[in-house]
Amino acid sequence: KAGVTQTPRYLIKTRGQQVTLSCSPISGHRSVSWYQQTPGQGLQFLFEYFSETQRNKGNFPGRFSGRQFSNSRSEMNVSTLELGDSALYLCASYPDQANYGYTFGSGTRLTVV
Amino acid sequence: GEDVEQSLFLSVREGDSSVINCTYTDSSSTYLYWYKQEPGAGLQLLTYIFSNMDMKQDQRLTVLLNKKDKHLSLRIADTQTGDSAIYFCAETYTGGFKTIFGAGTRLFVKA
Repeated sequence: KAGVTQTPRYLIKTRGQQVTLSCSPISGHRSVSWYQQTPGQGLQFLFEYFSETQRNKGNFPGRFSGRQFSNSRSEMNVSTLELGDSALYLCASYPDQANYGYTFGSGTRLTVV
Repeated sequence: GEDVEQSLFLSVREGDSSVINCTYTDSSSTYLYWYKQEPGAGLQLLTYIFSNMDMKQDQRLTVLLNKKDKHLSLRIADTQTGDSAIYFCAETYTGGFKTIFGAGTRLFVKA
């Protein structure tokens, strides 16, 4: 079956702009989590969605937001981009709880210039 | 508190065994994982262990869990150059809806 699909793979944006990243989970998976990966901070948890509801949120400013649709696809949005938002954004999906581990997408590499 | 610590680098010769270590601080964690990340890719789940287990073996991979010391290790037998990657230790709490990752251990395999 198809894996987790993240689009786009690469993105270059200018400071102050906003960006929307998309994640399509594995068919049948109702939960999606988002992580930011940077060389300095490692993998930082952004948020987690299940059946269109945000169940948990990490310590990121309000510029970072997300949502999940009825088909379990998820989007995350970053407004007023800063240079420090440059990172690999990873999406992971799982059936309900993450007890048996995540299936990750390949990520979206965001560069803010 | 939530914290997962790993050493940053490990270098081994092809054919040797690799042992990657991890410590975690939250005794309420229920599941512990090892993920692998190759350049330009997302993370790939290698294996997981439930917190009431001591050991799990899966082909070349052996996971050891010492719950008293909050220590988790991943042993890769007969390490190959294709095993060169970053390995992440992670933990999840039942009902916590969040997985915490370590900083990752970069494994170099010398031919």
